[in-house]
Amino acid sequence: GENVEQHPSTLSVQEGDSAVIKCTYSDSASNYFPWYKQELGKGPQLIIDIRSNVGEKKDQRIAVTLNKTAKHFSLHITETQPEDSAVYFCAAYNFNKFYFGSGTKLNVKP
Amino acid sequence: EAQVTQNPRYLITVTGKKLTVTCSQNMNHEYMSWYRQDPGLGLRQIYYSMNVEVTDKGDVPEGYKVSRKEKRNFPLILESPSPNQTSLYFCASSLSMGNIQYFGAGTRLSVL
Repeated sequence: GENVEQHPSTLSVQEGDSAVIKCTYSDSASNYFPWYKQELGKGPQLIIDIRSNVGEKKDQRIAVTLNKTAKHFSLHITETQPEDSAVYFCAAYNFNKFYFGSGTKLNVKP
Repeated sequence: EAQVTQNPRYLITVTGKKLTVTCSQNMNHEYMSWYRQDPGLGLRQIYYSMNVEVTDKGDVPEGYKVSRKEKRNFPLILESPSPNQTSLYFCASSLSMGNIQYFGAGTRLSVL
């Protein structure tokens, strides 16, 4: 099956700085890559996603890049704000199943 | 309001006592899924369902059962819970396979 690795496990940035979270996957058949944000006591919520036929996608301060050759994808958050503090998960989808990374706890210091 | 509803939110039980966690969605979604979340392991898929009466195993199905008799409901059944099933469980649904998933608020289960 698929194996998704996510780094770093924790990330601390100053408000206004950028944050980057990286994920790698092992199965070239994976074709859909969502990113989820999980706040304390809540379920994960989709923040951005990308499909394998696209290299980059942006939504305001959030962007995702995908390198199919290297089998890695990254989440970029610019101009971070305290409300961006949460746990972020990447995931890969293939053959009807989702495989998640282990999560990154992002702390944005005011 | 579009949502995925799980019940109960918290559950403490003892080894071997059968339990069911319910999941319901009001978005007419075809694809539904159960995950468990453990520290350092992220979310792992237990079972998924592509439509009514169609279910299949995820990555960690041992010790769990599911059923999909109606489109909106996807209960998770633990016939004989064990302490290693102590975890945070999430139900999710999406319009179709390989699409945006909407998650419930979670069920925290403790098996003593």
